[in-house]
Amino acid sequence: QKEVEQNSGPLSVPEGAIASLNCTYSDRVSQSFFWYRQYSGKSPELIMSIYSNGDKEDGRFTAQLNKASQYVSLLIRDSQPSDSATYLCAVDTGRRALTFGSGTRLQVQP
Amino acid sequence: SAVISQKPSRDICQRGTSLTIQCQVDSQVTMMFWYRQQPGQSLTLIATANQGSEATYESGFVIDKFPISRPNLTFSTLTVSNMSPEDSSIYLCSAQGLDGSETQYFGPGTRLLVL
Repeated sequence: QKEVEQNSGPLSVPEGAIASLNCTYSDRVSQSFFWYRQYSGKSPELIMSIYSNGDKEDGRFTAQLNKASQYVSLLIRDSQPSDSATYLCAVDTGRRALTFGSGTRLQVQP
Repeated sequence: SAVISQKPSRDICQRGTSLTIQCQVDSQVTMMFWYRQQPGQSLTLIATANQGSEATYESGFVIDKFPISRPNLTFSTLTVSNMSPEDSSIYLCSAQGLDGSETQYFGPGTRLLVL
């Protein structure tokens, strides 16, 4: 079983819709969770970090964490074509280094 | 915000040779890491670069193949030794502690092609 799992997609949503990206992790001691966005040919850039159960909102982005279910998600409201990228879920199990999921490719259709 | 730079940005190398990649952060950071991203894949941690001591390598990565230095709190190098075509990847350094949090920020990456 992979430590961090994501659906590879592509996830296709129309412009203006809500995109929902999901991630599950296997290590219950995981403490910190991150969502990165990676455009083709570019390095990952941080979108959101979340450390405690519940929702965390930042602009059009909302991260949701449920440690009991070992599940973290990212919602993107009012999706724009510029949001088309690969979204990487990353988990810190306490070693301070990150374990990444395989990424979900999001396509926002104009 | 702090800037992380890498040199070279890309290179084409012959098999059997070695390449040293440099990572420079414009402010002191607590932790630095090196990742590899093979074509079409996600990021895999190679090692944690420890300041003033030997790097901590992940399973499947060894010091002879990927020697790492971190002489101070703003700089690290990764060498890819005795390269083969399988080493063709993007190599990324990251830094933690830039904003006082656990968040890792990534450099622009070094795109390596081994012929």
